[in-house]
Amino acid sequence: GEDVEQSLFLSVREGDSSVINCTYTDSSSTYLYWYKQEPGAGLQLLTYIFSNMDMKQDQRLTVLLNKKDKHLSLRIADTQTGDSAIYFCAETPRNSGAGSYQLTFGKGTKLSVIP
Amino acid sequence: ETGVTQSPTHLIKTRGQQVTLRCSSQSGHNTVSWYQQALGQGPQFIFQYYREEENGRGNFPPRFSGLQFPNYSSELNVNALELDDSALYLCACQFGNSYNSPLHFGNGTRLTVT
Repeated sequence: GEDVEQSLFLSVREGDSSVINCTYTDSSSTYLYWYKQEPGAGLQLLTYIFSNMDMKQDQRLTVLLNKKDKHLSLRIADTQTGDSAIYFCAETPRNSGAGSYQLTFGKGTKLSVIP
Repeated sequence: ETGVTQSPTHLIKTRGQQVTLRCSSQSGHNTVSWYQQALGQGPQFIFQYYREEENGRGNFPPRFSGLQFPNYSSELNVNALELDDSALYLCACQFGNSYNSPLHFGNGTRLTVT
């Protein structure tokens, strides 16, 4: 099964807030990440949070981390049509080994913004 | 702009053939990772190169191999292509090899195997 789980679709109206949720399995993950992927493009790093933090805010983005429940969320305030994309949650698993830096991604949440 | 460039952008190959994908990054990106993203899935880690040596590998067979060059550019080679190898291949670079140095992705190479 997937190590990182996300709901596949989210639809919101322009101007509303979007909340994208993610659950992960490795409690020793040091950092957790949110990436954005637009059609035909690679992944753009949006934000990341260190595991000893509960919240991080960066302009319209707010990340909440609940380590007890292994739950991560990304809130986008005042969602715009340009925010339409696929959003991936990712963790750094404990078994990266030998100092290698591996990310385990969820399947992604497709955010559709209705004008 | 991430400073990571991949070529070609699209490629069509036949089952059984071999393919080489390329990645280049700005100076200082001395760690490069390759990911495979199948349609509708998240990226899957293939392997990572640090200072020109493989430094970690995901669950991919040996017919997936790579190189990193002194100028930090990298290649992904796939032998004996299979239909399931059709995917977007992403190169990701970072400064150093620590968790507080995030990955910067290229736009990927879309490989289609027929």
